[in-house]
Formats: sequence, structure tokens, C-alpha cells
Amino acid sequence: GESVGLHLPTLSVQEGDNSIINCAYSNSASDYFIWYKQESGKGPQFIIDIRSNMDKRQGQRVTVLLNKTVKHLSLQIAATQPGDSAVYFCAENTYTGANSKLTFGKGITLSVRP
Amino acid sequence: EPEVTQTPSHQVTQMGQEVILRCVPISNHLYFYWYRQILGQKVEFLVSFYNNEISEKSEIFDDQFSVERPDGSNFTLKIRSTKLEDSAMYFCASSVISNTGELFFGEGSRLTVL
Repeated sequence: GESVGLHLPTLSVQEGDNSIINCAYSNSASDYFIWYKQESGKGPQFIIDIRSNMDKRQGQRVTVLLNKTVKHLSLQIAATQPGDSAVYFCAENTYTGANSKLTFGKGITLSVRP
Repeated sequence: EPEVTQTPSHQVTQMGQEVILRCVPISNHLYFYWYRQILGQKVEFLVSFYNNEISEKSEIFDDQFSVERPDGSNFTLKIRSTKLEDSAMYFCASSVISNTGELFFGEGSRLTVL
């Protein structure tokens, strides 16, 4: 069946290092992906998105890479900071003609060591 | 900065009771959503809403669930007869446009059904 999922449940990185969080998807027709961050006790927060006509998109300290050939998505965080500690979700957006519907993958916990 | 607000932050109820979760979306947003997250699991789509109508609903959103926009600011989720498995964090979200992965989530309402 269709699914969006993450490879690893936890990631621990040293402050200042770069972090890479990976995600795989199964539906080759998927064309719009988003990364969300969820801090403890809060709702998901949009980080960055990418559509299938691109293979790379950059934001502030974050880069999303999309490899449609192997159906793989990654989020790179440069110079990871303690404030980056959170659960990260990849999600697929399905536009139904009236509204968007996000299908979230399983979260991965990013823990930043001081 | 505008934000989505949700009340209550935590509600404890007995099985079979009715629950209403309230949300105030961002004021210029037109598209509204409810998602839920069972503890430790991924975020799941429940329903989307636009122009006073449900746009799409998931299999979870059965006859026990309903949504309403009773006035120009509130967006509510009602569960008519709660079950134990309804225990979860319920997130309201809103967006400016329809075909977007950038949803603005509230901090959630934790529902505990005993």
C-alpha cells in the first residue's frame, strides 16, 4: 500500500554538526512533500516543502533533497543547534481539488548533544 | 505573529460522553483541518473544511464526529459518544490557500477518555 515513512526512529548529533534525516515513500505518483518539526508539547511546525519538479530546495540552515528515482527524501540541517531538538516528520500532500491532505510518516527524534 | 489557538489544552472525559474541542484559526485563513495523534504515533488526517462544508474526511471521521464553524472565528470538532480509542492529541490547523503543504497547527487538545 501507499506509505510515507522514516528509516530511523532516533538521531543523536553533536551541536554544530550537520544532521541528515531520511524518508522513503512508496507512491511514485507522489509529487509534493513537506518536512514538519514537532517540539515537545507543541503542534507540528512547517519547515520546508518541495514539489516533484525540483530535486533540491534550500531554506535557512535547511535543505531538502528529493530523489524520485529511488523515492527518497532527506532533510539536511546545517550547524545543528540545541533548538533543533524535536521530532521531525516527512509528509506527502495530496490535493483533492478542494483542500490539501497531509499524510505523515513516522517521526524521527533528533537529539542534539551540547 | 498570528497563531492557531485551541481549547481546552487537556480534557478528561468518561466513555460515552460528548466532547467539543474548539479552535480559532488564523483570521485570514479560509481552509481548516483537524488531525489527531495517538501518543507516540504519527499524525493522522481527520477532516478538511472550506466554505462551511467538509471537503474531505478520513475513515477515522465516522458518524460520531462532526465539525462546525458556528461563527466567523471558531472551528469546532465534536465527538458525540467518546470511546477509549479516541484518546489522543487533536490538532487544529488552517491554511491560506488550498493546494499547500504549509499548514499552521495549533498546540493541540489532549483528550483522555476513561
